[in-house]
Amino acid sequence: GAVVSQHPSWVICKSGTSVKIECRSLDFQATTMFWYRQFPKQSLMLMATSNEGSKATYEQGVEKDKFLINHASLTLSTLTVTSAHPEDSSFYICSARNFGTRAPSNGYTFGSGTRLTVV
Amino acid sequence: QKEVEQNSGPLSVPEGAIASLNCTYSDRGSQSFFWYRQYSGKSPELIMFIYSNGDKEDGRFTAQLNKASQYVSLLIRDSQPSDSATYLCAVSGAGSYQLTFGKGTKLSVIP
Repeated sequence: GAVVSQHPSWVICKSGTSVKIECRSLDFQATTMFWYRQFPKQSLMLMATSNEGSKATYEQGVEKDKFLINHASLTLSTLTVTSAHPEDSSFYICSARNFGTRAPSNGYTFGSGTRLTVV
Repeated sequence: QKEVEQNSGPLSVPEGAIASLNCTYSDRGSQSFFWYRQYSGKSPELIMFIYSNGDKEDGRFTAQLNKASQYVSLLIRDSQPSDSATYLCAVSGAGSYQLTFGKGTKLSVIP
């Protein structure tokens, strides 16, 4: 149980284009979704926290107009990287949390990650 | 600013030995502590979580928490080459479900 499906697993896009990353909770309701970014040999850095039906809360230094987060349902959250540039190339990971019940992973279930390369 | 510190390693241990991974955190109000394993290019996977002071054992893994010293550790007994990965310590605080991650310790188990 407690699976989060993240797609795509990797994507290459041209500079200036937009890329959408989806995370779906398959067998539980994700009341909260966390979006992380991880650069090579670095740790996971939280970008934003989104609660279903409300606007995302972005961490300091993360441009909300560049990284659009939608969490319109309890099972789907998307991150759109707009006008992507090479410096946006990174590993993006979502993590869903259901505060209603305890999932086996104690509530935090990670997606498999998306490797974004902007050329 | 909440901080989670880990020795980046690499930590090399021979197969069958005990690997000891350490983590310190700055927020004294932190309540939940997690150890994740991350293979290169993959997403983190949960190894253990711990809330209370003391030890928590799960198979070959033992998590140790000392809130007074703001210190959490992970022991891996009978280390296997498949344990070679980066181990991330993560902490969440009172009133916040956000996880703050350390930079991770790279473990290499030598056959």
